[in-house]
Amino acid sequence: DAGITQSPRHKVTETGTPVTLRCHQTENHRYMYWYRQDPGHGLRLIHYSYGVKDTDKGEVSDGYSVSRSKTEDFLLTLESATSSQTSVYFCASGGGMGGSADTQYFGPGTRLTVL
Amino acid sequence: DAKTTQPPSMDCAEGRAANLPCNHSTISGNEYVYWYRQIHSQGPQYIIHGLKNNETNEMASLIITEDRKSSTLILPHATLRDTAVYYCIVKPTNAGKSTFGDGTTLTVKP
Repeated sequence: DAGITQSPRHKVTETGTPVTLRCHQTENHRYMYWYRQDPGHGLRLIHYSYGVKDTDKGEVSDGYSVSRSKTEDFLLTLESATSSQTSVYFCASGGGMGGSADTQYFGPGTRLTVL
Repeated sequence: DAKTTQPPSMDCAEGRAANLPCNHSTISGNEYVYWYRQIHSQGPQYIIHGLKNNETNEMASLIITEDRKSSTLILPHATLRDTAVYYCIVKPTNAGKSTFGDGTTLTVKP
């Protein structure tokens, strides 16, 4: 499996506080993704990146921002956390080089609780 | 991206083949079929993908119909560790967005 890590793995925070989750990959993958997973909703794409400083919105991007200043790091920021953002967050990365198909490799997840 | 339809749940006896269907009737010519699985509380794991030919790797086989409107993931000898949620998605090459549906919960029983 690709070397992809997430930090922190668990976090409890209070409503209104800023939160940043970090995703780090060592495979030089072009694409990186942030998903959230809630009971009854499966995996939903928040934001993704197709290169350094190149990002785009997914289906549930409101309340989230991302940054990618290096190939290996993709940060997800909740500017002012709300209880509705309590979820498990998964990061993924994938190749997307040239004409190849884009397989995603997922991290272990971050469990975020907003009180 | 094309939408996919999967049965919500399936059971399989340990040691038997598990055949997981996926319907993707609106698939476009440039869209691949991908399969992932997610074992409880872990990150999803890539299994296999294909465009129009059948594919096999060490984990599974993927059978895509000739009209590409449906596919079947085959786990040839299911074990208890194969109990997981299996996701079928379709996406174009090099497209960033992937839409994961609700998947199929496969339960392998002894």
